[in-house]
Amino acid sequence: EAGVAQSPRYKIIEKRQSVAFWCNPISGHATLYWYQQILGQGPKLLIQFQNNGVVDDSQLPKDRFSAERLKGVDSTLKIQPAKLEDSAVYLCASSLGQRGAFFGQGTRLTVV
Amino acid sequence: AQSVTQLDSQVPVFEEAPVELRCNYSSSVSVYLFWYVQYPNQGLQLLLKYLSGSTLVESINGFEAEFNKSQTSFHLRKPSVHISDTAEYFCAVSSNTGKLIFGQGTTLQVKP
Repeated sequence: EAGVAQSPRYKIIEKRQSVAFWCNPISGHATLYWYQQILGQGPKLLIQFQNNGVVDDSQLPKDRFSAERLKGVDSTLKIQPAKLEDSAVYLCASSLGQRGAFFGQGTRLTVV
Repeated sequence: AQSVTQLDSQVPVFEEAPVELRCNYSSSVSVYLFWYVQYPNQGLQLLLKYLSGSTLVESINGFEAEFNKSQTSFHLRKPSVHISDTAEYFCAVSSNTGKLIFGQGTTLQVKP
């Protein structure tokens, strides 16, 4: 069974530029999550989708972050414009029910 | 609101010695509990989970955790660690929405 796929693995951008991350969840998983993991901290949920609807985006900085999940499968997370404090690893995960989420390898974003 | 506290940020231990990584949680509703492991530059891998039933849960590589409702704890243990167990370990709690709330992580450093 293929795992959660994310791209790119690494990205370096200048502040005020825009960036997008892509995620393909495990086939059949209705729930998709985007987490932000700042160095030395645990992951923090940014947004949760159930199929193509948003379940929880309470921690998403909506003035600069956006996410979509068209057709209930792939998802993209965008940051525009980026700030220095957005430097982090962005993790995508998917799940089937509440039995635990499966994570991709993440995208390491460095904003300079 | 739910929260997770991992009581040790770093745990150094010699190879073949036993180890315990401590996790406490708070929640006003029934929870599911998880331990994830993260190797350098990798995503999170599900190590074990408590959903219901037996309070002692085991992983395939020798780790075990015990759900203690009265003490609101879910400590992770292994009787004999290997060098390959060196990694970051995250305790997490979720409710019926599937959203995972993580602790700050514990770095397990296994020394030869």
